Amino acid sequence: EPEVTQTPSHQVTQMGQEVILRCVPISNHLYFYWYRQILGQKVEFLVSFYNNEISEKSEIFDDQFSVERPDGSNFTLKIRSTKLEDSAMYFCASSDGLAFFGQGTRLTVV
Amino acid sequence: KNEVEQSPQNLTAQEGEFITINCSYSVGISALHWLQQHPGGGIVSLFMLSSGKKKHGRLIATINIQEKHSSLHITASHPRDSAVYICAVRRRTGTASKLTFGTGTRLQVTL
Repeated sequence: EPEVTQTPSHQVTQMGQEVILRCVPISNHLYFYWYRQILGQKVEFLVSFYNNEISEKSEIFDDQFSVERPDGSNFTLKIRSTKLEDSAMYFCASSDGLAFFGQGTRLTVV
Repeated sequence: KNEVEQSPQNLTAQEGEFITINCSYSVGISALHWLQQHPGGGIVSLFMLSSGKKKHGRLIATINIQEKHSSLHITASHPRDSAVYICAVRRRTGTASKLTFGTGTRLQVTL
């Protein structure tokens, strides 16, 4: 069964450092998303990506965040200068209608 | 006010019980998703609905578009059904429109 894969599963980083979260979406899907879930809270939308460009982004997705699809298979989320409040589970999803989620990357900023 | 509301927030059931989780939403949607999140955090899509009813194994999902309401039912519940069940809606607008999530219902099924 096709699946969305995310790496790493867990990342610990120091405040102010840059992190890159990686995702391999399902190959024939056209729509890609990043969501995050702060511990104990609901899942929140960050950004959607279609046709090699951002189609929508939330208020959370400020200048510190960026997304890329560098090689046609990977889909990355970069946080330039991490803050403590960026600690969360980050989910990548791809969609052909039904959304398929990766297992998430747990980011801990210390 | 949240655009997607779920009830109950927490639910404990004994093995074999019939379970219903409810979702109400306040915006126009193109589809509603039911998702399952296990303690490890991973999210699995269960259903995508735009009308009527869908069934997969012991799970049944229904939606009433006029009333802006959906239900997820689990028949003959089992401890392995213990998870957080999340309702999420896709709004009508947008080419690659996002999902807006409810807060989830934490289900615990005991022996």
